[in-house]
Amino acid sequence: DADVTQTPRNRITKTGKRIMLECSQTKGHDRMYWYRQDPGLGLRLIYYSFDVKDINKGEISDGYSVSRQAQAKFSLSLESAIPNQTALYFCATSDSAGTVKHFGDGTRLSIL
Amino acid sequence: QKEVEQDPGPLSVPEGAIVSLNCTYSNSAFQYFMWYRQYSRKGPELLMYTYSSGNKEDGRFTAQVDKSSKYISLFIRDSQPSDSATYLCAMRGAGNNRKLIWGLGTSLAVNP
Repeated sequence: DADVTQTPRNRITKTGKRIMLECSQTKGHDRMYWYRQDPGLGLRLIYYSFDVKDINKGEISDGYSVSRQAQAKFSLSLESAIPNQTALYFCATSDSAGTVKHFGDGTRLSIL
Repeated sequence: QKEVEQDPGPLSVPEGAIVSLNCTYSNSAFQYFMWYRQYSRKGPELLMYTYSSGNKEDGRFTAQVDKSSKYISLFIRDSQPSDSATYLCAMRGAGNNRKLIWGLGTSLAVNP
């Protein structure tokens, strides 16, 4: 099994819809992250969580929310999707030293 | 000016060549330097991790950090077609809560 599993792998949806992307990990890491990747802009941090009770905004959190349901689960929601949220989304984990080591294989999200 | 600059390429080399990938940065507080490899439709994977200045070698890969020039490099010896991927540099300051700052990635193709 993969260390970090993201579902769904691909999603096409319409403007205004609410979408949830899910992430689960088997590494036992406390720290989890959501990134989006866009051509020419690279990886940008949306939200991160250092433990179940600790949620922090990243550099581009507007329009997104997260939920840390358990140490192993971290979900990302788009409350009302808009076309410029079309991107590749990655979940990642790190150990307490802070080096991001494990990424999921991403969710390719298209918003029409 | 971006904190981390990385030439996006693409870089195309013949099999067996020595590949040099580079990043420059502007923040002298960066202490930890990482290289990630990302295959198409996959998440980044941590390849090399270096603290402060100096060299680190792992098989065919060598990571080099020159803090005086604010310049890091990844060398790949005896390059293989399986090395074809996008290589991302990332770095952060001291302290376990410092966020990673990412380069945009360099696309590498190793031709048989």
